[in-house]
Amino acid sequence: GQQVMQIPQYQHVQEGEDFTTYCNSSTTLSNIQWYKQRPGGHPVFLIQLVKSGEVKKQKRLTFQFGEAKKNSSLHITATQTTDVGTYFCAGFGIGGSRLTFGEGTQLTVNP
Amino acid sequence: GAGVSQSPSNKVTEKGKDVELRCDPISGHTALYWYRQSLGQGLEFLIYFQGNSAPDKSGLPSDRFSAERTGGSVSTLTIQRTQQEDSAVYLCASSSRDSLYGYTFGSGTRLTVV
Repeated sequence: GQQVMQIPQYQHVQEGEDFTTYCNSSTTLSNIQWYKQRPGGHPVFLIQLVKSGEVKKQKRLTFQFGEAKKNSSLHITATQTTDVGTYFCAGFGIGGSRLTFGEGTQLTVNP
Repeated sequence: GAGVSQSPSNKVTEKGKDVELRCDPISGHTALYWYRQSLGQGLEFLIYFQGNSAPDKSGLPSDRFSAERTGGSVSTLTIQRTQQEDSAVYLCASSSRDSLYGYTFGSGTRLTVV
């Protein structure tokens, strides 16, 4: 079945440093979504990417969808302590009926 | 309602007892999902309901787990003869049919089996 892999599993950064998490699917995706889960909270939808090569920005967050629609990345510029949490990617396979979530990247930001 | 509502928020039960977890999705969302998350881990898919279609039960870990969705709205996840390894946070999510705006998750039920 479809698998979505995410790296790194953990990332510790100093406040102000940049952060990137990568997501790779075993199959071509129709779209990919990103979620953020704060410590003690539940996952919250951030964004959906649909088109090959698509790039979307939300303030300091930049999301990319690969040309082959099999990989994606989330880049945070100049991290802040409010960025702490686990970031999950989740992909819809072509013809799929539900999302397959990656294992998440847990981000820690040291002030 | 405005969001996905789950109850109870916390449940402590003795090993061997049955538990029922409830999820009230966003009104109008046809899709409902149950996930399990152990401490510091990812999201483990359990079951998926879409409208009147037969549910996708492929993630249920054993026959002690079952779920139903009545009237296309509220869902109940039942765990029979609970075991200590069932301790986790159980998350419910709902979405529109095409999930265009993503899944909306509830705050979860933290289940502790003692």
